[in-house]
Amino acid sequence: NAGVTQTPKFRILKIGQSMTLQCAQDMNHNYMYWYRQDPGMGLKLIYYSVGAGITDKGEVPNGYNVSRSTTEDFPLRLELAAPSQTSVYFCASSYSSGGQPQHFGDGTRLSIL
Amino acid sequence: ILNVEQSPQSLHVQEGDSTNFTCSFPSSNFYALHWYRWETAKSPEALFVMTLNGDEKKKGRISATLNTKEGYSYLYIKGSQPEDSATYLCARGSQGNLIFGKGTKLSVKP
Repeated sequence: NAGVTQTPKFRILKIGQSMTLQCAQDMNHNYMYWYRQDPGMGLKLIYYSVGAGITDKGEVPNGYNVSRSTTEDFPLRLELAAPSQTSVYFCASSYSSGGQPQHFGDGTRLSIL
Repeated sequence: ILNVEQSPQSLHVQEGDSTNFTCSFPSSNFYALHWYRWETAKSPEALFVMTLNGDEKKKGRISATLNTKEGYSYLYIKGSQPEDSATYLCARGSQGNLIFGKGTKLSVKP
């Protein structure tokens, strides 16, 4: 029962470096999401996708890019890492729209120094 | 109310106490209301998804109610146990995504 799998679990980046956070789900869910969680701020939506080939901006998309070439995978790309992107990132998926529960991965803790 | 707001921010109770917290959300164009349980160092786990005004859902000692006309939902925990210690998130669902509140952090002392 893999569910939603995120890699890596931890990463330290230098300012200006780039990296891709991986997210994969094996539940055949159409919808996938990326959130960031900052202390005292709750979960903020970065990007989401309603199906392969379709992505949309969330509340805090600046500095990030996503792609959805398959139903299973939804990678999140940081092109020029900045200290403000230090956060815990969660990927989630759901079968359909906001009326269905979301299933979350274990998170990626990212520090940018 | 423009955002999803939860109160209180934190709550400390003794084992055996019953407790409840509130989620307030914009009542216009309501679609769905979600509750999640988020333990420290883990990921959020869905408790309930409610869509109808007057909905009541129950899972063991935890239950939730929904009032879409006035824009609020209550989460109740009966006879709190130390393992109930977690942050409880509510989120307002739309056709595309969820808007989360900041959560209520519950600590249950043995």
